[in-house]
Amino acid sequence: SQKIEQNSEALNIQEGKTATLTCNYTNYSPAYLQWYRQDPGRGPVFLLLIRENEKEKRKERLKVTFDTTLKQSLFHITASQPADSATYLCALAPNTNAGKSTFGDGTTLTVKP
Amino acid sequence: DVKVTQSSRYLVKRTGEKVFLECVQDMDHENMFWYRQDPGLGLRLIYFSYDVKMKEKGDIPEGYSVSREKKERFSLILESASTNQTSMYLCASSSPGLAGGIEQFFGPGTRLTVL
Repeated sequence: SQKIEQNSEALNIQEGKTATLTCNYTNYSPAYLQWYRQDPGRGPVFLLLIRENEKEKRKERLKVTFDTTLKQSLFHITASQPADSATYLCALAPNTNAGKSTFGDGTTLTVKP
Repeated sequence: DVKVTQSSRYLVKRTGEKVFLECVQDMDHENMFWYRQDPGLGLRLIYFSYDVKMKEKGDIPEGYSVSREKKERFSLILESASTNQTSMYLCASSSPGLAGGIEQFFGPGTRLTVL
């Protein structure tokens, strides 16, 4: 069955450092990979989408890579700030029925001042 | 901005009660989804709908039903609530015209407790 694994439930880093979150998947060939941010008690908010034919995508301090050979995506936040503290979810979508995504459990990032 | 609203932030019900969770989106999105989120299990899809009066089962539909009579409204129904349905329920919407309908817009969630 399809499986999505995000690295360790929690990640703690110092302000100013780069946070790197990992999303690995098995038994899946996604056409699209997304990253969402979720704050406590709130719904997820979309951050970035990367397609299977794209290696890397950037948005301000965020960078996402997508390696379909390794079946892995890395999500980087550079110059991290305490305001970046949240849970980050990766989600995979197939080429057909693209509206239906499968979500990972999330990694909770804490950025300490 | 797309807005997805859910009828309640917190809800407490008793075992056996019929429970209605309402979701409304204001951006004319075709797709709507209901998820539940539990610690250690992540977001799991209960039902989704690609159009009015259309519905498809997600990964965990047992014990739930849905209704979509109008494009903007998607209701989740717990016919007879049980304690194992205590969870955070999240509604989302998307449009095929926006990045293939992949980007989902979520509501704030309803935390349901069944006693």
